[in-house]
Amino acid sequence: DAGVIQSPRHEVTEMGQEVTLRCKPISGHNSLFWYRQTMMRGLELLIYFNNNVPIDDSGMPEDRFSAKMPNASFSTLKIQPSEPRDSAVYFCASSLARVSGANVLTFGAGSRLTVL
Amino acid sequence: AQSVTQPDIHITVSEGASLELRCNYSYGATPYLFWYVQSPGQGLQLLLKYFSGDTLVQGIKGFEAEFKRSQSSFNLRKPSVHWSDAAEYFCAVGDMNRDDKIIFGKGTRLHILP
Repeated sequence: DAGVIQSPRHEVTEMGQEVTLRCKPISGHNSLFWYRQTMMRGLELLIYFNNNVPIDDSGMPEDRFSAKMPNASFSTLKIQPSEPRDSAVYFCASSLARVSGANVLTFGAGSRLTVL
Repeated sequence: AQSVTQPDIHITVSEGASLELRCNYSYGATPYLFWYVQSPGQGLQLLLKYFSGDTLVQGIKGFEAEFKRSQSSFNLRKPSVHWSDAAEYFCAVGDMNRDDKIIFGKGTRLHILP
């Protein structure tokens, strides 16, 4: 298996532009998580899906952020409009949880976003 | 709410010395506990996990961790560190009585002196 695949690996954009980050989870995994990592705040959970359904989006910072999972093999995280404070590394992770909470996460390599 | 505290932001040890990284958590009734490692520019990799049973768990790369319910701790240990262990280490917790959330601590960066 190729693991969790994220694209792009690096994105540099200007304030106000739309940014779309993509994630392909491991085939057969039923949960997908989006995290944001910054020096100041560490690793923050933004949103997670279970069987393609958003379960908890309480970590999404504001309405400029949205996430979708149209099918079991693809998810997107969109920021519109982007702001400099959105600069961070965004990680996608997937898991196959047979028991609620017992999620062994497999992480992608991350998407480093820089908003100028 | 679930939370994870890693009190040490940075730790420096000499190569060959022993290591202990601290982790304290608050949780519901039944915690699932994890340690992950992140090398520069990489995603996180699972070192070990505790779900139930023996409170001393073994992981990859010679790491182990001990779950102590009375202290709400899950400290990571290694008897002799190697220069390749320099990385950032994250403790995480999940709770079967809540939901599928996994919450991470802020991490401890490990530096190795030659």
